[in-house]
Amino acid sequence: GAVVSQHPSWVICKSGTSVKIECRSLDFQATTMFWYRQFPKQSLMLMATSNEGSKATYEQGVEKDKFLINHASLTLSTLTVTSAHPEDSSFYICSAPWGGINQPQHFGDGTRLSIL
Amino acid sequence: QQQVKQSPQSLIVQKGGISIINCAYENTAFDYFPWYQQFPGKGPALLIAIRPDVSEKKEGRFTISFNKSAKQFSLHIMDSQPGDSATYFCAAYIQTGANNLFFGTGTRLTVIP
Repeated sequence: GAVVSQHPSWVICKSGTSVKIECRSLDFQATTMFWYRQFPKQSLMLMATSNEGSKATYEQGVEKDKFLINHASLTLSTLTVTSAHPEDSSFYICSAPWGGINQPQHFGDGTRLSIL
Repeated sequence: QQQVKQSPQSLIVQKGGISIINCAYENTAFDYFPWYQQFPGKGPALLIAIRPDVSEKKEGRFTISFNKSAKQFSLHIMDSQPGDSATYFCAAYIQTGANNLFFGTGTRLTVIP
């Protein structure tokens, strides 16, 4: 069964809205989670590393003020897309290493974000 | 710069045939190589993984072959089924590092009945 849960699975909202996406590790603790973005028919692009109790680490070119990440507990990381615009429309996916920090990442089912 | 190169971009295989997807990497610090299967509208699911000290790993119909000297690894799907139709991503990372996954570009597999 799923070990990483992501919510919501689909969001449609107006331009200028802020959208929060949740990523939860189920029945295990994750001090680190990862947020990816995927465009149609493309590979996953790492956006940022979410660290429990400290600031997220963003990849080059990712606006940290645009994509706010909060890792408030050992089982929950949130990604907030602030003042979203149509170019932010994408498939956002989170992951967490299951069984320890060095173990392979398991992914959530993703969130389809559509900004009108 | 693409850290992990994957080919082919798309693949069509007859039911019962063997699907082969190839990947190559440059960074010799990579020490774990997972493969992910992704269906449309879903997140990637871990399929099988291998460490570089092993030349082959088999799980059911899925086999990874690993050539450390050539820095290449491949996924073989035996007796391919229509239900295997999905996008497959190879990946690599450093277990003792930041655990950043480096993905290949993906292979869209279609298995025709």
